[in-house]
Amino acid sequence: GAGVSQSPSNKVTEKGKDVELRCDPISGHTALYWYRQSLGQGLEFLIYFQGNSAPDKSGLPSDRFSAERTGGSVSTLTIQRTQQEDSAVYLCASSQTRGLDAFFGQGTRLTVV
Amino acid sequence: GENVEQHPSTLSVQEGDSAVIKCTYSDSASNYFPWYKQELGKGPQLIIDIRSNVGEKKDQRIAVTLNKTAKHFSLHITETQPEDSAVYFCAASNQAGTALIFGKGTTLSVSS
Repeated sequence: GAGVSQSPSNKVTEKGKDVELRCDPISGHTALYWYRQSLGQGLEFLIYFQGNSAPDKSGLPSDRFSAERTGGSVSTLTIQRTQQEDSAVYLCASSQTRGLDAFFGQGTRLTVV
Repeated sequence: GENVEQHPSTLSVQEGDSAVIKCTYSDSASNYFPWYKQELGKGPQLIIDIRSNVGEKKDQRIAVTLNKTAKHFSLHITETQPEDSAVYFCAASNQAGTALIFGKGTTLSVSS
């Protein structure tokens, strides 16, 4: 596609349920990132994938958060047993070269009620 | 780890004036400094970036300067227009080069 695509664009879930967020990066981009943006805040790094290398998971806030990237393309971010503080916009970005020229999707707005 | 401070948090200017947003970073190993513009309901959009081997870069009305010694970099927007109104984020690469560490953003309002 022309840009980074994320789905769903909005997700409302009940506290305690699991959610999966999807990211389709720009074709040919080897690096993929997940960030979290809480209301009125900056972007918080969550996880980074680069090709076949082991992901950098240093930003994941708890073991309820996990992500995978299948076939070096599509990525899913999974949040288990969601809590109200997980409510935020989850942004995915991709780049051709690690750490450079990251292009963001429009994000998934997650609301935990 | 890397820490990025950004100021001001809000900035209001008249159309045609210049706007300057400043950021400081803590990790001297950072070597890549992008700026993003985020409009309401959209993802951040890369508008300009600079690497540590360059002191200044300009693209039409937008320029970025980098002072590695002082560990700060700035975004300059000249001849501002109402469509420049948005939240602007600065970022710096982490030491491993695996992530961008973002400032908390500056809300720029340009009034006509």
